[in-house]
Amino acid sequence: DTGVSQDPRHKITKRGQNVTFRCDPISEHNRLYWYRQTLGQGPEFLTYFQNEAQLEKSRLLSDRFSAERPKGSFSTLEIQRTEQGDSAMYLCASSLEVRTTNEKLFFGSGTQLSVL
Amino acid sequence: DAKTTQPPSMDCAEGRAANLPCNHSTISGNEYVYWYRQIHSQGPQYIIHGLKNNETNEMASLIITEDRKSSTLILPHATLRDTAVYYCIVRKIRNSGNTPLVFGKGTRLSVIA
Repeated sequence: DTGVSQDPRHKITKRGQNVTFRCDPISEHNRLYWYRQTLGQGPEFLTYFQNEAQLEKSRLLSDRFSAERPKGSFSTLEIQRTEQGDSAMYLCASSLEVRTTNEKLFFGSGTQLSVL
Repeated sequence: DAKTTQPPSMDCAEGRAANLPCNHSTISGNEYVYWYRQIHSQGPQYIIHGLKNNETNEMASLIITEDRKSSTLILPHATLRDTAVYYCIVRKIRNSGNTPLVFGKGTRLSVIA
């Protein structure tokens, strides 16, 4: 499978715990995005990387959230001191050709986080 | 990026054309119209995009009005597998790098046998 891979698919944690999600983009895709989606809503943009550089962060991304893409390949999203409001689907997407009209985002199936 | 307005839900009979409208009356000259869809329990999937001309690919057709203030996504022969939430997104294309996709709530299309 050469699509975007996310791990784990599901995560259940207790409030106050830290969690980390991993995203493996399509090989050679230079841009990687993180989105969050709650029930009944469209995905909300969190942050994106171009290669290893984090270029933009949404105001939704509080200080408890941190994302990395150390070698410009896979990325991790960490949430510290989780709260019940963090329960959501976390989606990762990757793309190529970011300066042209042909840029298409390819999404993974997401990590479903439940904070108890 | 300009905002879009879509009906919250639509039904379509299997085998018929599904026509999904989108209003983007504040669209500017360097903004493109993109359509993605999200099938239950999956991430969004790219369908089609356009600037001002009508576009067609193997999945769908995109009709953009001459004033660019609205568009329609057409699935010519809807099947049960087309049941999904369809998102219409307006996005700026820039030399410095495209803006992130901003999703609204989309239209929930139900294809009925």
